[in-house]
Amino acid sequence: DAGVTQSPTHLIKTRGQHVTLRCSPISGHKSVSWYQQVLGQGPQFIFQYYEKEERGRGNFPDRFSARQFPNYSSELNVNALLLGDSALYLCASSLVLFSNQPQHFGDGTRLSIL
Amino acid sequence: DQQVKQNSPSLSVQEGRISILNCDYTNSMFDYFLWYKKYPAEGPTFLISISSIKDKNEDGRFTVFLNKSAKHLSLHIVPSQPGDSAVYFCAASDPGGSEKLVFGKGTKLTVNP
Repeated sequence: DAGVTQSPTHLIKTRGQHVTLRCSPISGHKSVSWYQQVLGQGPQFIFQYYEKEERGRGNFPDRFSARQFPNYSSELNVNALLLGDSALYLCASSLVLFSNQPQHFGDGTRLSIL
Repeated sequence: DQQVKQNSPSLSVQEGRISILNCDYTNSMFDYFLWYKKYPAEGPTFLISISSIKDKNEDGRFTVFLNKSAKHLSLHIVPSQPGDSAVYFCAASDPGGSEKLVFGKGTKLTVNP
């Protein structure tokens, strides 16, 4: 069975540009979450979507937005990129909410801002 | 303000011995705890979890212990193998409206042959 898939794997952008990252959850999983991981830190929560609705938002500026599609895949958009947005962006999926089921992660998109 | 803390950035053990990774948390509302393993250039891989209603959960060589009064959990790996060398993250599920995971900074485990 396919795990969580993310695209692209690597991306290089310049300051001020915008970026769209994509995620396909494990088949049957309805919840998708996005995390940002910078070097030396654990992943930090950005968004969670369940059944196409936003269920949680972390402490990130409005330049970050996301959505979930009817097939449960998801996009993370970041506008007006800053150097500090350089990080590994991870997508995780889980079956349903509040079931004490683990979130399963993709391999991430490595975003570099020049 | 770090709600999940892994105070040891690194740990080195000999193959065959026990590895003990520790994690402390501050938020008593956390109700579900997880350990993930991460290799370079890969995403975190789920290892084992524990609900706050339990104090121990085992899965093969991996055992997680939860001490709610001390707000402390630990991961035991017995016996340790060189393939266990990775960064281990402790995470807690925040039940407030979503299931966001709050992660520690990770502990790099090195298992020497």
